[in-house]
Amino acid sequence: GQQLNQSPQSMFIQEGEDVSMNCTSSSIFNTWLWYKQEPGEGPVLLIALYKAGELTSNGRLTAQFGITRKDSFLNISASIPSDVGIYFCAGSGKLPLVFGKGTRLSVIA
Amino acid sequence: SQTIHQWPATLVQPVGSPLSLECTVEGTSNPNLYWYRQAAGRGLQLLFYSVGIGQISSEVPQNLSASRPQDRQFILSSKKLLLSDSGFYLCAWSPRQEQFFGPGTRLTVL
Repeated sequence: GQQLNQSPQSMFIQEGEDVSMNCTSSSIFNTWLWYKQEPGEGPVLLIALYKAGELTSNGRLTAQFGITRKDSFLNISASIPSDVGIYFCAGSGKLPLVFGKGTRLSVIA
Repeated sequence: SQTIHQWPATLVQPVGSPLSLECTVEGTSNPNLYWYRQAAGRGLQLLFYSVGIGQISSEVPQNLSASRPQDRQFILSSKKLLLSDSGFYLCAWSPRQEQFFGPGTRLTVL
């Protein structure tokens, strides 16, 4: 079946630093999605990407749909303590979505 | 606007007892519906999804079952819980490719 490789698994960064995480797949996807999950809550959709090469921003977050349609990255600029959580990528090629295993982000004030 | 509800929020059940978790969606019609389980600190494991009333697809063989008795209602059940059923259960709905998650149910089986 389709699988996503999400890296890194975890990150410890200083407040104010920029963050980058990515997902790769051996399969082509039509849509890439990025979610954030805080402890004890459901994941929340951050950014949706629909076209190869698309670059989309949401505040301090920027995500790109890889030109090969097999990868995507998420950048967070000037991290703050509330950025703490687990970030999941997801790819859509057919029902249902395929999720990465998540990147756990810790921000040290 | 659309909202998704799950209940209960938390549940503690003994091994061997039955389970019923409910998920309802408001503000949309004929959504695709999903049940996921998440072990502590782990990723999302898709359990079931449904594209319509009475249509259930199972992704992982287990002692759980799902039903969709109404268009916007999705139920996760078990006749006899196992210790390994403990986890965080998430319901999600989708209009197209995006999925939107509910607040989750924390299940502890003792």
